[in-house]
Amino acid sequence: AQSVTQPDIHITVSEGASLELRCNYSYGATPYLFWYVQSPGQGLQLLLKYFSGDTLVQGIKGFEAEFKRSQSSFNLRKPSVHWSDAAEYFCAVGPMDSSYKLIFGSGTRLLVRP
Amino acid sequence: DAGITQSPRHKVTETGTPVTLRCHQTENHRYMYWYRQDPGHGLRLIHYSYGVKDTDKGEVSDGYSVSRSKTEDFLLTLESATSSQTSVYFCATGEDYSNQPQHFGDGTRLSIL
Repeated sequence: AQSVTQPDIHITVSEGASLELRCNYSYGATPYLFWYVQSPGQGLQLLLKYFSGDTLVQGIKGFEAEFKRSQSSFNLRKPSVHWSDAAEYFCAVGPMDSSYKLIFGSGTRLLVRP
Repeated sequence: DAGITQSPRHKVTETGTPVTLRCHQTENHRYMYWYRQDPGHGLRLIHYSYGVKDTDKGEVSDGYSVSRSKTEDFLLTLESATSSQTSVYFCATGEDYSNQPQHFGDGTRLSIL
């Protein structure tokens, strides 16, 4: 079955520290991969996406993610976290066809210590 | 942002009543989506549209219907609301060849008593 797992429900980091949020997926073929961020009371914002090519993808707000096919992972990273990064982060996978069926992980809530 | 407006933003209603949520976009995006967000489930696709009058079901479509008579509007209707449909509903739009949502509205919090 197709699925997305974000193993960490909550993560707390200190401001200025590095961040890595984990995402593992189970999928029958190479999918499209996405990371979204959701601030409280708001909708999701697309941070970055991977379709093909270079497996290290740069996104907005200084985030990057690396697609590792052998590990079925698409982890999100940021070298130095800012207090404004506190939010919930969702990984998602979608098919490389037109079926529009994006599957979301259950999210990781990031807390930032001053 | 993509100019997505959801209305209403909050609604409380009773079991058995019909409810319609509206999504309005100003960016002329072809693809539109309705999701529901529940704790521990991330977002789940209810219905989507790939053009005017072109819609299809997502993974949790039972009890919901949609209509898209204009590019800019995508309506979600709960035909007879149940308590299990209490949720936060998000509309999204997409524009590129990936056919996936890239812009989200701020959500509608729906409580069914």
